[in-house]
Amino acid sequence: DAGITQSPRHKVTETGTPVTLRCHQTENHRYMYWYRQDPGHGLRLIHYSYGVKDTDKGEVSDGYSVSRSKTEDFLLTLESATSSQTSVYFCASSNVLARSGANVLTFGAGSRLTVL
Amino acid sequence: AQTVTQSQPEMSVQEAETVTLSCTYDTSESDYYLFWYKQPPSRQMILVIRQEAYKQQNATENRFSVNFQKAAKSFSLKISDSQLGDAAMYFCAYRREAGSGDKLTFGTGTRLAVRP
Repeated sequence: DAGITQSPRHKVTETGTPVTLRCHQTENHRYMYWYRQDPGHGLRLIHYSYGVKDTDKGEVSDGYSVSRSKTEDFLLTLESATSSQTSVYFCASSNVLARSGANVLTFGAGSRLTVL
Repeated sequence: AQTVTQSQPEMSVQEAETVTLSCTYDTSESDYYLFWYKQPPSRQMILVIRQEAYKQQNATENRFSVNFQKAAKSFSLKISDSQLGDAAMYFCAYRREAGSGDKLTFGTGTRLAVRP
């Protein structure tokens, strides 16, 4: 789906280095999310944003920070990468919550990060 | 906190047959939404079907249907006339009705194999 893109798609880095993953959406969606996917855990929410400069923590936020300076961009930063952060990272977006339940998350294609 | 449980890590079905994937969840909310997502080898997350808890009628989408048992907190996915393209990881997900954006809580997934 061209509406939401992630970069880089693959990255290998070393322990202790900073890493930034970028999510860009063209849907003008208000909400954006970062999830990580690990075997046996499904997808777990790292951080989310409900508007420009408005972010909050998810269930696995330790070691991660985010920023959203524009509606279309949501950055995930690992200040000092660790091997436990080796994972596949998914960005998602959705629009304003409505009772109809029509606010389905649109996912990016994922970014595979390997920390050696 | 809400939890979503998928007790079948792997399932297998013969092409053209029917298979049911199980999902249970735990919540104290009365209004919420439930989803099934498909993740093929491409890693893309694809919405299969969604169910609003306030609707008693089970959702259907072509060959996909759900059995939503609100009292039992059960939300199973039935795939009829299984096709080779249905082979994927399937995730069950939960979302509160309001006050949380569209944050999803995912199960750990069920990997479905389709035998030709």
